[in-house]
Amino acid sequence: DVKVTQSSRYLVKRTGEKVFLECVQDMDHENMFWYRQDPGLGLRLIYFSYDVKMKEKGDIPEGYSVSREKKERFSLILESASTNQTSMYLCASSLGSGTGYQETQYFGPGTRLLVL
Amino acid sequence: DAKTTQPTSMDCAEGRAANLPCNHSTISGNEYVYWYRQIHSQGPQYIIHGLKNNETNEMASLIITEDRKSSTLILPHATLRDTAVYYCIVRMVSGGYQKVTFGIGTKLQVIP
Repeated sequence: DVKVTQSSRYLVKRTGEKVFLECVQDMDHENMFWYRQDPGLGLRLIYFSYDVKMKEKGDIPEGYSVSREKKERFSLILESASTNQTSMYLCASSLGSGTGYQETQYFGPGTRLLVL
Repeated sequence: DAKTTQPTSMDCAEGRAANLPCNHSTISGNEYVYWYRQIHSQGPQYIIHGLKNNETNEMASLIITEDRKSSTLILPHATLRDTAVYYCIVRMVSGGYQKVTFGIGTKLQVIP
């Protein structure tokens, strides 16, 4: 089974703090994704990575950065947390190139971040 | 990606089959139908996907109509732990990666 883990289930931070959210997958997947999920807004893509040290902006990258130094690990960084970044953050991974049309994404359990 | 339409909510008695419908009338020939579910405060869980043939795995069955304009997810023996929001999406991926976008989904309540 594919396993995607996230470093914390719940996190409380103060405005202006630097926040690190870690995601690890154990299936040697090439692609990794960071989303945030908010009521009424659904799932929105922040960043994704298709290879080590490679990253691409998603739909809402402002205020975030990412790091992928190793294939299995994809980190989301909030450089200076703000209250509008309070959200549920979801990491996902998928197998990658050579899989043809189907690209199933597997999600982690989520990190619920509260910024005060 | 083609849009999907699902009922907002459904109830199902525990132990009975839960049949969740999805309309995707604008689906194109190389788009897959995917189903995910999300239990409250957890990450989305992949259930099943298919192109045009019916599919079955340990979690569920997926029935796709011959014209591919609609599909039904079947949970054969619903349990209380199947209470969740179920999302039907259609996706075509070329080049290896594409974002997942969920609609409102169907909130399934399994009743004891």
